[in-house]
Amino acid sequence: DIQMAQSPSSLSASVGDRVTITCQASQDISDHLNWYQQRAGKAPKLLIFDASNLEPGVPSRFSGSGSGTDFTFTISSLQPEDSATYYCQQYDNVPSITFGQGTRLEIK
Amino acid sequence: QVQLVESGGGVVQPGRSLIFSCEASGFTFRNYFMHWVRQAPGKGLEWVAVIAYDGSNKYYADSVKGRFTISRDNSKNTLYLQMDSLRAEDTAFYYCARGGLINSGSFAFDYWGQGTLVTVSS
Repeated sequence: DIQMAQSPSSLSASVGDRVTITCQASQDISDHLNWYQQRAGKAPKLLIFDASNLEPGVPSRFSGSGSGTDFTFTISSLQPEDSATYYCQQYDNVPSITFGQGTRLEIK
Repeated sequence: QVQLVESGGGVVQPGRSLIFSCEASGFTFRNYFMHWVRQAPGKGLEWVAVIAYDGSNKYYADSVKGRFTISRDNSKNTLYLQMDSLRAEDTAFYYCARGGLINSGSFAFDYWGQGTLVTVSS
């Protein structure tokens, strides 16, 4: 199975800060990576698909980049409603799909 | 609007079975791959199973292979998960999620149900 190493596991930042989360795959997965946001007590929400494509309706402060084994998820200007856990998900060796361990983002 | 509504969770003893469903609305259900994803309380996400748009192909995570069965009834716009030989480690919130459109090659889960809790305990 492809392993996804997501970091950091948690972080705390202030409103307006730029926040970056990384995901590293154990092997080349091309751009077969998605990013999700999960607010407390809610279902996950798709934010970015195919590494860098913004899901319709998602604010433009969210972005993704990378290919191969190294990927980055960025929030350009943190908002209070961005407090959540963020997950990367690879789908390169379908049907085996794996998620990163998650990054818990707290607003100071 | 797209909705996925799950039902059927609950408390079950180890070794027993449980089936729950996910009713879809707001889109052409028969044209989409559908998935189950679970999340143990306080833990991360784990993909469980996928079924093709017409039910012709089904795949499972190794952790549930041989014990869980995914199925669908396109006439009822409903997805199912039959769970047999349940173990304590199957305790989790179970989410149904919409996958890709036929021939899209997409494995992004763009809509999710609200989640249903299954607790395996004696």
